[in-house]
Amino acid sequence: SYELTQPSSLSVSPGQTARITCSGDVLAKKYARWFQQKPGQAPVVVIYKDTERPSGIPDRFSGSSSGTTVTLTISGAQVDDEADYYCYSAADNTLGIFGGGTKLTVL
Amino acid sequence: QVQHVQSGAEVKKPGASVKVSCKASGYIFSDYGIHWVRQAPGQGLEWMGWINASTGDTRYSPKFQGRITITRDTSASTAYMELSSLRSKDTALFYCASNDWNYWGQGTLVTVS
Repeated sequence: SYELTQPSSLSVSPGQTARITCSGDVLAKKYARWFQQKPGQAPVVVIYKDTERPSGIPDRFSGSSSGTTVTLTISGAQVDDEADYYCYSAADNTLGIFGGGTKLTVL
Repeated sequence: QVQHVQSGAEVKKPGASVKVSCKASGYIFSDYGIHWVRQAPGQGLEWMGWINASTGDTRYSPKFQGRITITRDTSASTAYMELSSLRSKDTALFYCASNDWNYWGQGTLVTVS
């Protein structure tokens, strides 16, 4: 059994930096991916392979990794970034798990 | 363009099974895999399982092992997720997603009542 742990909520003011952490033993060996989910929408990948940003994702989104913790950083958070954020990793490359999710409030 | 179109909403009785489909287009279906994810109302994402569309090989979350079956029909470019022994806690939105997680279906609401 393995798990990924995230803070349940985070609140920042517009323009501030938001840092969301995700911890789990599997992260020492496997890459993480971060998803953004807005109400009523399917999730969207904002970071993959710990630090890579898909095309079309603003460069204020970045990822980092250290040991068993990965961090999603939103530099200069905007109101439009208000959403739920989930980390994800996969032991054995196909046995996946999501973190519990972090509700980011920007106001 | 890549698309995954899922089957429509379902209402099931406790103890029944449900089978959700996910039709792929815009790419060679058998070249990749498909993930299935559950999201209960107001709750987080849960990885349920994955299928290799080429070989049919599957992986399931231990949480759903024994109740879930994922299959595919390469001739129809469609993946299926069947969940059995439904209970009220299974009421949720079920998503399929591409192997690289970049393309999701629209979600299928399954209500168990």
